[in-house]
Amino acid sequence: SQQGEEDPQALSIQEGENATMNCSYKTSINNLQWYRQNSGRGLVHLILIRSNEREKHSGRLRVTLDTSKKSSSLLITASRAADTASYFCATDKSNGNNRLAFGKGNQVVVIP
Amino acid sequence: KAGVTQTPRYLIKTRGQQVTLSCSPISGHRSVSWYQQTPGQGLQFLFEYFSETQRNKGNFPGRFSGRQFSNSRSEMNVSTLELGDSALYLCASSPDGNYGYTFGSGTRLTVV
Repeated sequence: SQQGEEDPQALSIQEGENATMNCSYKTSINNLQWYRQNSGRGLVHLILIRSNEREKHSGRLRVTLDTSKKSSSLLITASRAADTASYFCATDKSNGNNRLAFGKGNQVVVIP
Repeated sequence: KAGVTQTPRYLIKTRGQQVTLSCSPISGHRSVSWYQQTPGQGLQFLFEYFSETQRNKGNFPGRFSGRQFSNSRSEMNVSTLELGDSALYLCASSPDGNYGYTFGSGTRLTVV
């Protein structure tokens, strides 16, 4: 079954730097979503990009989607200490099969 | 508006017991999904309910069940608990499953 897979697994950066995470998946999708999770709490929806979109922005977040390569990237610009969290990509299959397949997550630590 | 509410936040049960977890979605959201999160397996889809009907089901044994009420509130039940059922159980709601999900803070279940 399809599953998002993030790369790299852990990232440590200085405040103000940019952080980039990648995600790959295996089968066709309806959309791809990125979520953030702080310390084992609930997930916060960051951004959704549909299969017919190539790039999307939301504040300091930029997401790209390359359906030919079955991959996506999440860029966080000008990182802040509050961005320290785990970031997950999740794919939503086509055909109205409304279930998310999550990757293993990226742990991002932003050092003040 | 109020977010997704999950109760209880923490739960400790003994092997062999059963447990019921509750989820109140955002008002107006008719799709409620459940996920299990463990360090080893990551986030795994359990099931999705829409308008009181189970629309999708993940690959979990029959000990895991759920239901949705007419007010969209959902419960999941795990019978004959095993140590491996210890996890963070997350509930997510969406208007119809196509616009991204709002997650609750989760119920952390520990089986001893």
